[in-house]
Amino acid sequence: AQSVAQPEDQVNVAEGNPLTVKCTYSVSGNPYLFWYVQYPNRGLQFLLKYITGDNLVKGSYGFEAEFNKSQTSFHLKKPSALVSDSALYFCAVRDSGAGSYQLTFGKGTKLSVIP
Amino acid sequence: NAGVMQNPRHLVRRRGQEARLRCSPMKGHSHVYWYRQLPEEGLKFMVYLQKENIIDESGMPKERFSAEFPKEGPSILRIQQVVRGDSAAYFCASSPPVAGDHNEQFFGPGTRLTVL
Repeated sequence: AQSVAQPEDQVNVAEGNPLTVKCTYSVSGNPYLFWYVQYPNRGLQFLLKYITGDNLVKGSYGFEAEFNKSQTSFHLKKPSALVSDSALYFCAVRDSGAGSYQLTFGKGTKLSVIP
Repeated sequence: NAGVMQNPRHLVRRRGQEARLRCSPMKGHSHVYWYRQLPEEGLKFMVYLQKENIIDESGMPKERFSAEFPKEGPSILRIQQVVRGDSAAYFCASSPPVAGDHNEQFFGPGTRLTVL
């Protein structure tokens, strides 16, 4: 079984400061990891993914994430937060094993960037 | 290239009625996924379909729920005899049929179902 934990329900950060949204995962095989962002009453927008290769993945809107296999983590980061980054962020995992197509999502972390 | 389209965006049903949710994948995508999001929860996988085939329905409730993706037309998620617990946001996602199974899924705006 695969699972995702986002330990923080909410993260508050001042505009211009660096932000981190935490994610840890559990899969039986090798993970495919994703970050999505959801704005109010909207669908999810893809930010970035880790499949293989470089542990630091760069994505949309200046976001990046670091895959750490030993800690089974995939934290989302941004060097300088914007007020417009305020949204709900979801981490998701898929087991790379054959036939594993479903994404398992964390419960989400609400990011509030304070002007 | 239009994104994933879902309709209706909002659907109100009384207990016992049927709900039909439609999803048109992105152009060129032949893989469709349905997820359900309950309040204060993450998305939960329901079903994965390709054209005319259900590939994985391990997340679908055993009764009242069904899904299809016909050769022509949108994918349909059908909920019969709705109950209040079915109230949720239902999201559809699609991905392309290229080699490699690590493609990200592109999500629609969702259908918010309210059961009175």
